[in-house]
Amino acid sequence: AQSVTQLDSHVSVSEGTPVLLRCNYSSSYSPSLFWYVQHPNKGLQLLLKYTSAATLVKGINGFEAEFKKSETSFHLTKPSAHMSDAAEYFCVVSDSYNQGGKLIFGQGTELSVKP
Amino acid sequence: DTEVTQTPKHLVMGMTNKKSLKCEQHMGHRAMYWYKQKAKKPPELMFVYSYEKLSINESVPSRFSPECPNSSLLNLHLHALQPEDSALYLCASSQDLSGPSSYEQYFGPGTRLTVT
Repeated sequence: AQSVTQLDSHVSVSEGTPVLLRCNYSSSYSPSLFWYVQHPNKGLQLLLKYTSAATLVKGINGFEAEFKKSETSFHLTKPSAHMSDAAEYFCVVSDSYNQGGKLIFGQGTELSVKP
Repeated sequence: DTEVTQTPKHLVMGMTNKKSLKCEQHMGHRAMYWYKQKAKKPPELMFVYSYEKLSINESVPSRFSPECPNSSLLNLHLHALQPEDSALYLCASSQDLSGPSSYEQYFGPGTRLTVT
């Protein structure tokens, strides 16, 4: 069975400092991994995705994530936080053999950015 | 156009009312989804349609009735809801249900539903 664990429910950083949101996954097969962002009272937006190509994945708004199979991790990073990055972030896993379309969400990490 | 639209944005309804939520996409996607999201929680899958046919029903109570009139439209009909059904209802679409493209889902902004 697939699962995903986001290690921090809340992360607070200062504007201009690096962001690290941690995610570990469990999957029996080659997983597809995603990070989605949700701003308050908005829908979810795909930040980036890993689907067995390059292990370092670049996304929108300066975010990137590295797939580490040995550590079963897919942490999200950004070199310099911006106030507009304040939002809820979801790490999501699905694998090639799962029932089509079903995403498994982590519990979310709320990112706060202080001026 | 990578947009999924949902109407209305907000809906307040009594427990005896009948209402409908609407979702539309013009990306040529053949899979569409309904999710329910409570505050501070991840979305929970409710229904999946593939090529206008119901593919997945996650044991959702019958007071929620989905409908897919065509490949661009998805409705969720609501009847006799309970206060605990108050939530953000999200619609999403993906290219299809086969392979990695199925997991890249595009979400609408949601309908904030309050049941009184």
